[in-house]
Amino acid sequence: DAKTTQPPSMDCAEGRAANLPCNHSTISGNEYVYWYRQIHSQGPQYIIHGLKNNETNEMASLIITEDRKSSTLILPHATLRDTAVYYCIVRVWPGGGSQGNLIFGKGTKLSVKP
Amino acid sequence: DAGITQSPRYKITETGRQVTLMCHQTWSHSYMFWYRQDLGHGLRLIYYSAAADITDKGEVPDGYVVSRSKTENFPLTLESATRSQTSVYFCASRRGGDWVIDGYTFGSGTRLTVV
Repeated sequence: DAKTTQPPSMDCAEGRAANLPCNHSTISGNEYVYWYRQIHSQGPQYIIHGLKNNETNEMASLIITEDRKSSTLILPHATLRDTAVYYCIVRVWPGGGSQGNLIFGKGTKLSVKP
Repeated sequence: DAGITQSPRYKITETGRQVTLMCHQTWSHSYMFWYRQDLGHGLRLIYYSAAADITDKGEVPDGYVVSRSKTENFPLTLESATRSQTSVYFCASRRGGDWVIDGYTFGSGTRLTVV
C-alpha cells in the first residue's frame, strides 16, 4: 500500500499558484519524498524530491514540514498544461532490491481552469 | 534517439494468445520496470530488473513473464492473455548508484486490449 494520502482532486485558476498537499505521517528517517505527475495518456514524469529541506527547481517547489509528516508541492504559476495527476511517493534511500521501487498511490487530479 | 521506447503503442489480441511487449532504453540504466495502469488502481508494479539476468516480482506478477538478456531490453510476455490483462503498460528505467537524484524515466506506454 502507498504510504501517502492525497486529496483525489483539486482545481486551480490559470496563472495562480497550485498547492498540492500530501500526508506521510509514517515516513522514516531514510525515506525521501518524491513527486511525479502524469499528463493524460503519457508516462509519469519526475518533478522534484526532498528529504527535509525545502527544495525548488525549474518546475516546482517542495515544502516539507519540520516533523516531515506532510509536504506541499507548489506550482507557482499554473498553466493549462499543468493539468495532470500528481503523485506523492515516499521512497527509501539508500535501499537495495525492492526498497528503492516507486509505489504509486492514486494521486491528486489537478485541473487548471482558464 | 536516446531514451526509452516501447512497442507497439497499441495492440489488440485474443484471449489465450501469447503477446510480448517490448521496452528498449539507450542509457544503459541498471534498473528497468514494468507497470500496468488501470482505472481505479493507478500504476502497479508487475516486474522489475536490477541488471541483466536479474529479475524480481512486483505487486501483480501473475500471468506475466519477463527476461533481461541484455541491459537495454526488458520484454514483458503475457503467456496466455486474459481480458483482465487489458490495460496500459508502462516501462521505466533508472540508473543504479545515485538514483536519488535521477529518479525514474518512463516510456510512452502500450495500450493492450484483450478480446
